[in-house]
Amino acid sequence: GDSVTQMEGPVTLSEEAFLTINCTYTATGYPSLFWYVQYPGEGLQLLLKATKADDKGSNKGFEATYRKETTSFHLEKGSVQVSDSAVYFCALSPSGGSNYKLTFGKGTLLTVNP
Amino acid sequence: NAGVTQTPKFRVLKTGQSMTLLCAQDMNHEYMYWYRQDPGMGLRLIHYSVGEGTTAKGEVPDGYNVSRLKKQNFLLGLESAAPSQTSVYFCASRSLAGESEQYFGPGTRLTVT
Repeated sequence: GDSVTQMEGPVTLSEEAFLTINCTYTATGYPSLFWYVQYPGEGLQLLLKATKADDKGSNKGFEATYRKETTSFHLEKGSVQVSDSAVYFCALSPSGGSNYKLTFGKGTLLTVNP
Repeated sequence: NAGVTQTPKFRVLKTGQSMTLLCAQDMNHEYMYWYRQDPGMGLRLIHYSVGEGTTAKGEVPDGYNVSRLKKQNFLLGLESAAPSQTSVYFCASRSLAGESEQYFGPGTRLTVT
């Protein structure tokens, strides 16, 4: 079945550091890929998405590129802020009839220190 | 526009007690979901609904029941709570549109002692 593997955390960075959180997936066809973010005490909210190969999703300075050849969707940000401290989830929805379901990775806790 | 709301926010139950978690959305979404979040496990789908009056099992449905009598509400029931059901529960909803995102509620923290 479909699965998402993301790098284990926690990740601790200093403000203005470069961030990469790795995400790889296993799925048939061409799934849609998502990054969700969960701030402390809140529900998940969509950060960015990409729906086809080579698409780049971007939002709030974060970017991720859908790489079909490496089945990856790594999250990057050039300069993190303290306010980026949160749990980040990579997720996919399959192509075809079950595209209303999401499969999540286990999440990566990011802490940014001033 | 409140989005997705969940009631209650916190609850403590004793083993064997029952309770119902309520999820409501005001976005006229067709799809609704219940997830549980446990440390190191990510989010796991409990049950979901593709429309009013329909429900289906997700990845971890045992010990839970659901109902979707109205399009805007999705109820999650625990008939006989167990300590293994201690978790944070999230409801989400989504529209029919092709690649639309899921919108999440703020969560319910449940502790079963």
